[in-house]
Amino acid sequence: DGGITQSPKYLFRKEGQNVTLSCEQNLNHDAMYWYRQDPGQGLRLIYYSQIVNDFQKGDIAEGYSVSREKKESFPLTVTSAQKNPTAFYLCASSKWTQQLARYGYTFGSGTRLTVV
Amino acid sequence: AQTVTQSQPEMSVQEAETVTLSCTYDTSESDYYLFWYKQPPSRQMILVIRQEAYKQQNATENRFSVNFQKAAKSFSLKISDSQLGDAAMYFCAYAEKGSGSRLTFGEGTQLTVNP
Repeated sequence: DGGITQSPKYLFRKEGQNVTLSCEQNLNHDAMYWYRQDPGQGLRLIYYSQIVNDFQKGDIAEGYSVSREKKESFPLTVTSAQKNPTAFYLCASSKWTQQLARYGYTFGSGTRLTVV
Repeated sequence: AQTVTQSQPEMSVQEAETVTLSCTYDTSESDYYLFWYKQPPSRQMILVIRQEAYKQQNATENRFSVNFQKAAKSFSLKISDSQLGDAAMYFCAYAEKGSGSRLTFGEGTQLTVNP
C-alpha cells in the first residue's frame, strides 16, 4: 500500500545537537511539506517543496533546513539554532500543488521530538 | 496572509447527539477550498470533509456536514449521531486555488464524546 513513512516515531536530542527527521513517500506525489504542531497553535508550515531540488520557506523556517534530492524523500534537519525544538512534526504530500487544493494532503504518522 | 480561526478550544457532546464546531477564515480570494481534518489520539491526520468555495451546496459525508457561509467567511462542521470514535482534535484548513498553494490550519478544537 502507498503512503508516507516518518521515522523515528520518537526522537530525543541533546541541546546543541542537530537532528534529522526522515520522511519517505511512495505515492508518486510531487509536493511535500513539513509542519510543526504545538498545543493550542495548530499546524504551522516549516518548509515545502513542489519539485526535486527546489524548496521554499514556510512560516517558521528559522532553525530548520531541508533537502529534496529525490522525489520520494524530504528530510528535515532541526539545527541547534532552533530555540525551542520540542514538538510534534508532521510530514505531508500531495500529487501536485494544483491538486492539493482539490484533495488536500496525505499525512505521515508524525515524529515526536524532545530536547533533553 | 490568510488566517483560520477556531474559537472553541474544547467542545463536548453526548453520544448520539449533534455537535457543531466553528471555523472562520480571512481571505481576499473568491475561489478557494476549505477542509476539516480529524486527529485522533493516534495523531494520524484524517481528512473528514472538503468544500469548494464556488459551490453553493454544503458538502456532506455520512454523519458529517458543513455549513458554508461565504459572505460571512464561516465554515462550521456538524457531526450528527456522535460516536465515541469521533473523539479527536478537529482542524479547519484553508487553501487557495492554483499552483503553489498550501494548507493553512486553525488552532484546533478538542472534541470529547461522553457515553
